[in-house]
Amino acid sequence: GNSVTQMEGPVTLSEEAFLTINCTYTATGYPSLFWYVQYPGEGLQLLLKATKADDKGSNKGFEATYRKETTSFHLEKGSVQVSDSAVYFCALTFTGGFKTIFGAGTRLFVKA
Amino acid sequence: GAGVSQSPSNKVTEKGKDVELRCDPISGHTALYWYRQSLGQGLEFLIYFQGNSAPDKSGLPSDRFSAERTGGSVSTLTIQRTQQEDSAVYLCASSLVNDRGDEQFFGPGTRLTVL
Repeated sequence: GNSVTQMEGPVTLSEEAFLTINCTYTATGYPSLFWYVQYPGEGLQLLLKATKADDKGSNKGFEATYRKETTSFHLEKGSVQVSDSAVYFCALTFTGGFKTIFGAGTRLFVKA
Repeated sequence: GAGVSQSPSNKVTEKGKDVELRCDPISGHTALYWYRQSLGQGLEFLIYFQGNSAPDKSGLPSDRFSAERTGGSVSTLTIQRTQQEDSAVYLCASSLVNDRGDEQFFGPGTRLTVL
């Protein structure tokens, strides 16, 4: 079936460390891929997206590249800040469809 | 402009009671989604509305759950005869059109606690 799998958290890093949150998917067709972020006490908001293979989404220093050959969309940031502490959700939307499948979320803690 | 709003923000109810959760999407957004987020879990798709088309109800977990969208705007999610396992945060989202690349805008959620 169609699914999104992301690495389990929590992930704890020191400020300025390099971040990778892995996300892999299974899907029929060619989905669009998203990363959403949920800061403490706030609603989910879009962080970045990629709509076709080899596209790179980027925002606020975060990047993710749509890799069709490895069915992955890993989230990376070169130097995290305390303010990046949040829960990150990987998601996909099916071609021609509307149902969005979300991963379980990965909680990130960044220590000063 | 105003974002997606949901009410109530918190709801505590007794097992067996019915509850109604409300969502006001962003004006002009034709697509509306309901999700459920249980503690420590990801988002579970419940139902989707797009314009005047028949809604996709494939994610509703049982026939105790139903939703409607009046006038293509406000939506109400109703849970009948609530059970303790219904306790979760219920999230509503809206987007401009049904497009594979369209961003969904989320409301703050309604936290439902069934005692």
